[in-house]
Amino acid sequence: DGGITQSPKYLFRKEGQNVTLSCEQNLNHDAMYWYRQDPGQGLRLIYYSQIVNDFQKGDIAEGYSVSREKKESFPLTVTSAQKNPTAFYLCASDGGGGGQPQHFGDGTRLSIL
Amino acid sequence: SQKIEQNSEALNIQEGKTATLTCNYTNYSPAYLQWYRQDPGRGPVFLLLIRENEKEKRKERLKVTFDTTLKQSLFHITASQPADSATYLCALDNQGGKLIFGQGTELSVKP
Repeated sequence: DGGITQSPKYLFRKEGQNVTLSCEQNLNHDAMYWYRQDPGQGLRLIYYSQIVNDFQKGDIAEGYSVSREKKESFPLTVTSAQKNPTAFYLCASDGGGGGQPQHFGDGTRLSIL
Repeated sequence: SQKIEQNSEALNIQEGKTATLTCNYTNYSPAYLQWYRQDPGRGPVFLLLIRENEKEKRKERLKVTFDTTLKQSLFHITASQPADSATYLCALDNQGGKLIFGQGTELSVKP
C-alpha cells in the first residue's frame, strides 16, 4: 500500500540539541510539506518542497531546516535555535500544482526533556 | 489580514442527526477548499475538495457547500454516527499547492 511514513512516533530533545524527523513517501508525489500542530490550533506550514533539490520556507521556518535530496524523502531538522519545539509534527505530500488532496503521515510528537 | 475560522466550540449532537460545521474566511480568494478529518494522535485524512465554481459537492453521507460571496463553506454529515466523532479541518488552496488550515472543529456524536 502507498503512503507516508513518519518516524519516530515520539521524540525527546535535550536543551541545545538538534533532532531530525524522518518522512518517507512511496506515492511518487512531487510535492512534500512539513506542518506543526499545537493544541487547539490548526496546522502551520514550516517548509515545503515542490521538486527534488528545491524547497521553500513556510510561515514558521525559523529554527527549522530541511533537505530534499530524493523524491521519496523530506527530513526535517529541529535545531537548537527553535526555542519552543514541543509540538506534533506532520508531514504530507501531493502531486503538486494545487487542487490536489494532501496525504499525511501519522505524525511525530516532539517533547523537551 | 488573512483569516480562516471554524467553530471554536466543540459540536455535540445525537446519533442520526445532521452535523453542520462552518468554515469562514476573509481576505482570501481560494481556487479550492478542502475538508479533512483528524482523529486524536493521527494525521488528517482527506475527505472532500470543492472548486470555486462549484456550489455543492457530495460523497456518501457528506456534503460540502462553497459560497465565494459569503466567503463561507459548510460541511454536513447526515445520519451521523458515533464513528464520525473526530476533529474536522477546512483548508484553503490558492492554487499554489500550499494549504491554509483552520483550527478545526471537534465533533462528538452521542449514541
